[in-house]
Amino acid sequence: AQSVAQPEDQVNVAEGNPLTVKCTYSVSGNPYLFWYVQYPNRGLQFLLKYITGDNLVKGSYGFEAEFNKSQTSFHLKKPSALVSDSALYFCAVRANTGGFKTIFGAGTRLFVKA
Amino acid sequence: GAVVSQHPSRVICKSGTSVKIECRSLDFQATTMFWYRQFPKQSLMLMATSNEGSKATYEQGVEKDKFLINHASLTLSTLTVTSAHPEDSSFYICSAGTGRRDEQYFGPGTRLTVT
Repeated sequence: AQSVAQPEDQVNVAEGNPLTVKCTYSVSGNPYLFWYVQYPNRGLQFLLKYITGDNLVKGSYGFEAEFNKSQTSFHLKKPSALVSDSALYFCAVRANTGGFKTIFGAGTRLFVKA
Repeated sequence: GAVVSQHPSRVICKSGTSVKIECRSLDFQATTMFWYRQFPKQSLMLMATSNEGSKATYEQGVEKDKFLINHASLTLSTLTVTSAHPEDSSFYICSAGTGRRDEQYFGPGTRLTVT
């Protein structure tokens, strides 16, 4: 069965500092991995995805994520945080075979302090 | 880019009534649509998956007679919450897939409040 873990409910970082939001996954076969961001009372906005290839994936708004197969992790990173990055972040996984079900992590709330 | 709309964005209904939420893919044909439910400060829980012209597949624990899903065309899916109760109040989000495993587009969500 697929599962996603986001071990931190909340991450606090000062503006201008690097940020990391952690994600680990479990899925049969090779995974499709995604990061989404959600602002209050809004739907999900796609940030980036990993399918295959280079382990470092670059996405929207300066975010990037590193796929680590041995650690089954897909951590989201940004070199310099902005106050406007404060939001709820979801990691998601979809198996590359079988059904098209996407499973989401519990979400991590990011607070960037000015 | 691919756009998914939901209507209405907010709805308030009285307990015991039914409410319908529409999900449309505006510029692509959605072979599969998904309905999620999100409680405050919680993750998205998949409720059901629907393919155009066939019955929806519901996740364990989701009452299919309460949450009726219809995927009448390749651009429209509807979720009807029947005999709504206050505990059905939630944020409902739909998403649409193009058939490619790496593509899934989300609607803006519908806030349902049952009084």
